[in-house]
Amino acid sequence: DVKVTQSSRYLVKRTGEKVFLECVQDMDHENMFWYRQDPGLGLRLIYFSYDVKMKEKGDIPEGYSVSREKKERFSLILESASTNQTSMYLCASTLDRSGNTIYFGEGSWLTVV
Amino acid sequence: RKEVEQDPGPFNVPEGATVAFNCTYSNSASQSFFWYRQDCRKEPKLLMSVYSSGNEDGRFTAQLNRASQYISLLIRDSKLSDSATYLCVVRQNRDDKIIFGKGTRLHILP
Repeated sequence: DVKVTQSSRYLVKRTGEKVFLECVQDMDHENMFWYRQDPGLGLRLIYFSYDVKMKEKGDIPEGYSVSREKKERFSLILESASTNQTSMYLCASTLDRSGNTIYFGEGSWLTVV
Repeated sequence: RKEVEQDPGPFNVPEGATVAFNCTYSNSASQSFFWYRQDCRKEPKLLMSVYSSGNEDGRFTAQLNRASQYISLLIRDSKLSDSATYLCVVRQNRDDKIIFGKGTRLHILP
């Protein structure tokens, strides 16, 4: 089975802290994504990557950056966390651009106080 | 018009009933369609892909209407365990962009 692992499930951070959310997939997928999900707003794409060292902005990249140094790992970085970044963050991967099934990690619940 | 639209619900349906959801999409070049299920505080998981000819998986039937640009999901003989949020997902042909609907909440009542 494909496994997408988000190492941090529940985090509480202070405003202004730097936050790292790590995501690892074990199926050699090319494409990786970071979403946030908020009530009433659905899933919103923050950043995505189609290859190592490649990144593209999604719909809401402001306040975030990403890193993809290895194919299996895609990290989301909040340089200076703010309370409006309190959310559930979902990492996802697909095999390639035509890969149909999207595999999600279990989610990271971030609270910024 | 939003790229992918779903009725947010909630749909409150008695156990054993049949329930149907629709999802409309705005980009006629969209090529792939899916239904995902998301349980409370869990990640979305693939329920089924939607094929042009329509497809069935047990109690679940998915259909695609390209002319009217909507997909549907029909659940027959609903079970308590069907209670979840159902997400419509569309992949666009032009840029492989994956777009999620906001989901339809379903509550199956005993």
